[in-house]
Amino acid sequence: KNEVEQSPQNLTAQEGEFITINCSYSVGISALHWLQQHPGGGIVSLFMLSSGKKKHGRLIATINIQEKHSSLHITASHPRDSAVYICVLSPPLTGNQFYFGTGTSLTVIP
Amino acid sequence: EAQVTQNPRYLITVTGKKLTVTCSQNMNHEYMSWYRQDPGLGLRQIYYSMNVEVTDKGDVPEGYKVSRKEKRNFPLILESPSPNQTSLYFCASTDRGGWEQYFGPGTRLTVT
Repeated sequence: KNEVEQSPQNLTAQEGEFITINCSYSVGISALHWLQQHPGGGIVSLFMLSSGKKKHGRLIATINIQEKHSSLHITASHPRDSAVYICVLSPPLTGNQFYFGTGTSLTVIP
Repeated sequence: EAQVTQNPRYLITVTGKKLTVTCSQNMNHEYMSWYRQDPGLGLRQIYYSMNVEVTDKGDVPEGYKVSRKEKRNFPLILESPSPNQTSLYFCASTDRGGWEQYFGPGTRLTVT
């Protein structure tokens, strides 16, 4: 089953480039999360979105509920942004199954 | 500080030797879950719990057990581990609405 699709799977960028990671989904959701997992393995929640756009530092996340699509943008990318970025769907309140994308592996080269 | 703790962080064991990975959260979250992460497969849900004494299977429950006797704790039990359970395991806790999501640091399990 592919309730959530991320693209690209792998991405290499030069330091300073603008980066976009996409997440498309096919199920109803109450919220969408973007997670970051660094090579050490720890997972951090970056954003939770139910509509519109959120910004935190150089990171911007947007969601279009009608089109069932979200994007994560990184401006002025830096080598420390190298990580796996994972899109996660929160089920509606009556549901209980989270859906995970397989992740986008980002490498930013100095 | 809001956090999810897991223990142990690393474990090497042998086939068939029962083990428990503990998970504890200090945010009074109702929803807790266990995931395993394998190369190329991403995060897959093993079990989840909507509240105390309420647990249910995720996508890959075979070979695992869980219990939720207290709100803060959600241990993962492998009664008879096998090599195909070698993986990186994450516990997570989420508030009722799915707004806040916190992950534990992960437990790297190797079964020989």
